[in-house]
Formats: sequence, structure tokens, C-alpha cells
Amino acid sequence: TQLLEQSPQFLSIQEGENLTVYCNSSSVFSSLQWYRQEPGEGPVLLVTVVTGGEVKKLKRLTFQFGDARKDSSLHITAAQPGDTGLYLCAGRFYNQGGKLIFGQGTELSVKP
Amino acid sequence: DAGVIQSPRHEVTEMGQEVTLRCKPISGHDYLFWYRQTMMRGLELLIYFNNNVPIDDSGMPEDRFSAKMPNASFSTLKIQPSEPRDSAVYFCASSPTGTWRYTFGSGTRLTVV
Repeated sequence: TQLLEQSPQFLSIQEGENLTVYCNSSSVFSSLQWYRQEPGEGPVLLVTVVTGGEVKKLKRLTFQFGDARKDSSLHITAAQPGDTGLYLCAGRFYNQGGKLIFGQGTELSVKP
Repeated sequence: DAGVIQSPRHEVTEMGQEVTLRCKPISGHDYLFWYRQTMMRGLELLIYFNNNVPIDDSGMPEDRFSAKMPNASFSTLKIQPSEPRDSAVYFCASSPTGTWRYTFGSGTRLTVV
């Protein structure tokens, strides 16, 4: 059974600070995704990474996929209150078809 | 496109009653997924379909849970009989083959009292 460990579980910071969220697995991902979920809504896809060492940027968000494809990180620069939400990593594994396994999530609160 | 549509948004039922959750995926998406989200366990995959055929139901908790997809535009998740521990938010998601761009519905918040 593949498991994804996400850390930290909770993060409370002031506007303008930087932060990093981590996602790790003991198994190799065939692809990994990051989602953001707001209260009362479903997760919304932010990015998909596929290649080891890949880096993708989405405005102030930087996503990195580990060289060995077992870990990923999400870095937010100069966080804003609008970034508040639950951030989830989710991975697909080889020979698992369309099955997408989620980490427990990181609850981010950015205070003005 | 209206996105993935789930109904109802909220459901409160008594223990022992049958509950049916509904999902309309995005047109053209050939994968459909049912997830359950709780504080303790996070998002858990219950079952997924490809071209209306169930592929993996290993996440279905027990025989009280069943899911069907009679056609490409409709799926149901049924719990019979319901129990308080089934209280959770149930999400449906769909995705086209290849891109794996999963789109989630807004969920059904189920409370069993």
C-alpha cells in the first residue's frame, strides 16, 4: 500500500512570509499533483509534475519534484491571506492505473 | 462546462436509512472517482470507474456501500444501511484519459444521526 506523508499538518504565518510544504512517499510516483481546497468545495488542481527534478512555477507558487520521484515540495513566496486553504499532494503510482492517492494535507492560515 | 455536479449538497439521515449520492461527470471524461473526506482519515478513494466499468473498489469500506455507473453521464453511491461513522464529505471527480486532470465536484456532506 502506497502512502503519502505530508508535512507540516498545520501552518500559521503572517502575510509576506515564505513557506514550504513537503510530500514524501516510500514508492516512486508515476506522477504527482498538488491541489488546493477551500472550505465547502472540492480540491482544485494546481499542477502536475511528471519528470524527476522538474520545477514548475505558478505565480508565487513553486513546485519541485524530487530527482528520485519519491518526494515533492510546494514553496510559496510572500504569502497573502488569499493563499489560506488546505493544500493536498496526490500521487499516481506505476501499475495502479488512474488511482490517485492523497496525502493528509497542510492547513495553511495566512494572517494579514 | 458546468463541471462535476453532485447532489444533494447536504444530507442528514437517521441511522439505518438508505442514502443515495449522485454525480454527473464532465462530458467526455472517461474516468469517474468516488472519494470520502474526514478529519481523521483525509481523502480516501472508495471506487473508480473507466468507461462506466468499475476498475478498483478496494476502498469501499464494506458491503453496505455500493456504486453504479449506468451510463457515461451518471453515477450513484449508495449506503444501506447507513451508520453514524459514515458521516463525512463524499466527493465525485472525473478525468479524461492521458492528461489525468482530475476535476472534483463540490461534495455531499452526509450526516448520519
